[in-house]
Amino acid sequence: EDQVTQSPEALRLQEGESSSLNCSYTVSGLRGLFWYRQDPGKGPEFLFTLYSAGEEKEKERLKATLTKKESFLHITAPKPEDSATYLCAVHPAYAGNNRKLIWGLGTSLAVNP
Amino acid sequence: NAGVTQTPKFQVLKTGQSMTLQCAQDMNHNSMYWYRQDPGMGLRLIYYSASEGTTDKGEVPNGYNVSRLNKREFSLRLESAAPSQTSVYFCASSGGGTGVAYNEQFFGPGTRLTVL
Repeated sequence: EDQVTQSPEALRLQEGESSSLNCSYTVSGLRGLFWYRQDPGKGPEFLFTLYSAGEEKEKERLKATLTKKESFLHITAPKPEDSATYLCAVHPAYAGNNRKLIWGLGTSLAVNP
Repeated sequence: NAGVTQTPKFQVLKTGQSMTLQCAQDMNHNSMYWYRQDPGMGLRLIYYSASEGTTDKGEVPNGYNVSRLNKREFSLRLESAAPSQTSVYFCASSGGGTGVAYNEQFFGPGTRLTVL
């Protein structure tokens, strides 16, 4: 069964304490993997798209990487404003141009000052 | 550029009442989506519209209907609301086209619906 699993479910960091969030996936081929940030009471906000193993993308303190089985979202020297839920989603190859994504349940990140 | 807008922001219904959730996007996107988000269940696709004039069922379509009114607007209707439909509803849009690069979905702020 195709699925996306994110770990840990929740993570609490001290300001400046770097860490990584994991998104592992089991799908028959990958057309794209997406990372989103969701603040409480708001809609998900797009962060990154990764297409192939070995690809990396960066934005401020965030860096996303992709292997054939998983993606990591590395957070370097986080600040309290990085506190949010981070969602991962994949677009399986069999979906073709149908843009139905498979979503993970998210990692809730809290950064203490 | 407002992106994706949704109305209303909050709604309380009684069991059996009907209502329509409205969604509009100003990014000239081809595809639009309706999701519901529940604790422990994540985002689940209700219906989507790959392009103007087409709609298709997602993962949890029962109890809902949709209308793609034009390229900008995509509405979700609950004909007879049930307590199980208490949720947060998100509308999203994406560029469409044939390339993966058009897959990024952009979300609205959500509608928080309670059915008593």
